[in-house]
Order: sequence, then C-alpha cells, then structure tokens
Amino acid sequence: AQKVTQAQTEISVVEKEDVTLDCVYETRDTTYYLFWYKQPPSGELVFLIRRNSFDEQNEISGRYSWNFQKSTSSFNFTITASQVVDSAVYFCALSEAWRGGSQGNLIFGKGTKLSVKP
Amino acid sequence: EAQVTQNPRYLITVTGKKLTVTCSQNMNHEYMSWYRQDPGLGLRQIYYSMNVEVTDKGDVPEGYKVSRKEKRNFPLILESPSPNQTSLYFCASSLFAGAGGANVLTFGAGSRLTVL
Repeated sequence: AQKVTQAQTEISVVEKEDVTLDCVYETRDTTYYLFWYKQPPSGELVFLIRRNSFDEQNEISGRYSWNFQKSTSSFNFTITASQVVDSAVYFCALSEAWRGGSQGNLIFGKGTKLSVKP
Repeated sequence: EAQVTQNPRYLITVTGKKLTVTCSQNMNHEYMSWYRQDPGLGLRQIYYSMNVEVTDKGDVPEGYKVSRKEKRNFPLILESPSPNQTSLYFCASSLFAGAGGANVLTFGAGSRLTVL
C-alpha cells in the first residue's frame, strides 16, 4: 500500500543551522512522483519540488536541496543556513502513476513542523 | 492572477446545519480535489474530480458531497455537519487529470470550519 512517513513531528533549530527533513515512502508502482510542499504560518500550501521515480539526481535550489534515494525509498529535504522565514510545516507527498483508477492523487505525509529561532 | 478561490475562509456553524464551501479556479484546470487537514494527521483527500461530471471518493468521503457541473467550480457540501468535521479544508486543482501522477497541485488558501 502507498504511504508517506515523516517521522519528525517537530524540529527546532537556531538560525544559520543546517536542517534535514526526512521523508520515507512506500509504493508498489515503478512510476511515481514525489513532492515537497511548504505551509508557512499564514496557512497556504506552497509547492517546492517534484521529482519522478526515474530521476535520482539530487537537486539544489538556493539554500534548499533534495536527496532522492530509491534504494532506501527516501526523499529528504535539507535547508542550509536556515532562516526564520523557513519556519513552516513541510509536507512530503507521493503520487502514483496508477492508483486504483485515480491517477495522480497525492498522498501526504503528516508533516514536519520546523521552527527556526533567531 | 491564476488562483484557486475558496469561500468562506472561516465559518462557525452548528451541528446539522447544511453548509457549502465553494471552490473556483480560473486556470481551466481539469482536475480538482478537496483535502482536509487535521493536527497530527496531515492532509487527507475527501473527494476529487477528473473533469466535469466526473467525481470520485478519496480517503475520507463520509459526511461530504461534491459536484462538478462546470469546469471551474467544485463545491464541497456538508449536508449535516458534525463536530468531527471541524477542520481546515483545502481545495486544489491541476491542469490535467492523471498525467501519470505528475500533477502539481495549486491550492486554495484554506477554509477553517468549526462545527459546534
């Protein structure tokens, strides 16, 4: 069965520290997509990244980087030199190519609340 | 501006009083979906729609109804709300239904519903 696990419920760091948010997924599909979304205190959900199952290259975008490892079914998210504005709840999500006839529905993890203190 | 608009943003109601949360998108998206967010549970899908007049249940559909009569609108209906439906609700849309799972969802701002 498909599942996304974010074992870290809450993380607290001091500004400028690096922090890694873990995401482990389960799927039987060979074709799937992984996502990260950010939910700042204002409440909206903001798309950060999408990665397909055939592309294991790591991705870096500014202070953000993502490490996708199929061997461990993980898609971890690292923030380098964290800032107070990074404080948010971060969700990892999985979308399978075929899920009981409903392609593309997102399955979310429970989220990790990141607090960055000045 | 391309967006998903939900209304109302905040609502306090009483048990049994029917309510509708509207959702509208201006991006000509095929796919629309409703999620609820609860502490410790993350986001769970209620219903989704692959296109006009095509809707299906998500993971937690009990107590909810939807309709998709027009491409842009996807209202969520609570016929007889109960306190366990107190939650933060998100509507979302994406360009193509399915797309092999590649959908990037655009979310509305959320609707916080309290049922007393």
